[in-house]
Amino acid sequence: EVQLVGSGGGLVQPGRSLRLSCAASGFTFDDYAMHWVRQAPGKGLEWVSGISWNSGDIDYADSVKGRFTISRDNAKNSLYLQMNSLRAEDTALYYCAKADKLGIGSGFDYWGQGTLVTVSS
Amino acid sequence: QSVLTQPPSVSAAPGQKVTISCSGSSSNIGNNYVSWYQQLPGTAPKLLIYDNNRRPSRIPDRFSASKSGTSATLGITGLQTGDEADYYCGTWDTSLSAVVFGGGTKLTVL
Repeated sequence: EVQLVGSGGGLVQPGRSLRLSCAASGFTFDDYAMHWVRQAPGKGLEWVSGISWNSGDIDYADSVKGRFTISRDNAKNSLYLQMNSLRAEDTALYYCAKADKLGIGSGFDYWGQGTLVTVSS
Repeated sequence: QSVLTQPPSVSAAPGQKVTISCSGSSSNIGNNYVSWYQQLPGTAPKLLIYDNNRRPSRIPDRFSASKSGTSATLGITGLQTGDEADYYCGTWDTSLSAVVFGGGTKLTVL
């Protein structure tokens, strides 16, 4: 059974940093790209970032480019999102999502339960 | 403003059929695979359709989808109250180098 367990969320002040983690199990982690997708309260889905199976291809949404860094550790079956210079508009539930292919230009066949990030003073 | 355009809401009676449209452009839907996701209240999204019209084995055949040019459509037949959810289309946008979603469509089963 595929499981994606996110962690690291919480309440943080504007301008500070936070690191999200996603522990994956139930599939061959390094066979697939991985993504972060967020959802602000009462809003729709917004893609944040994606990373290919070997970290050779990485992309970011314009809204987070230069502030967020995605990474993965295939030996630990883990995905990460380093979030710096956080803003109030980054407040959202952050989902870790498994791609259905190697590359980042594909859909997501499994989603984690989400980890909540609240940016507020 | 979402890159992909979906109707904000649709509704139909139990047992009936409903369709949800998703409109884009040549840089996204026109040249890339479309996926559809269902988000039940208070839960994470779930994949319904991938590669334009393929269904994971765990998804019932009441759900189907198609793509034509720069638009895609999700169809749900035999509507059940348990189908009440938000539905999102998504695809890769080659010009933006980003995954893009529609704004979501809220399905109400009357």
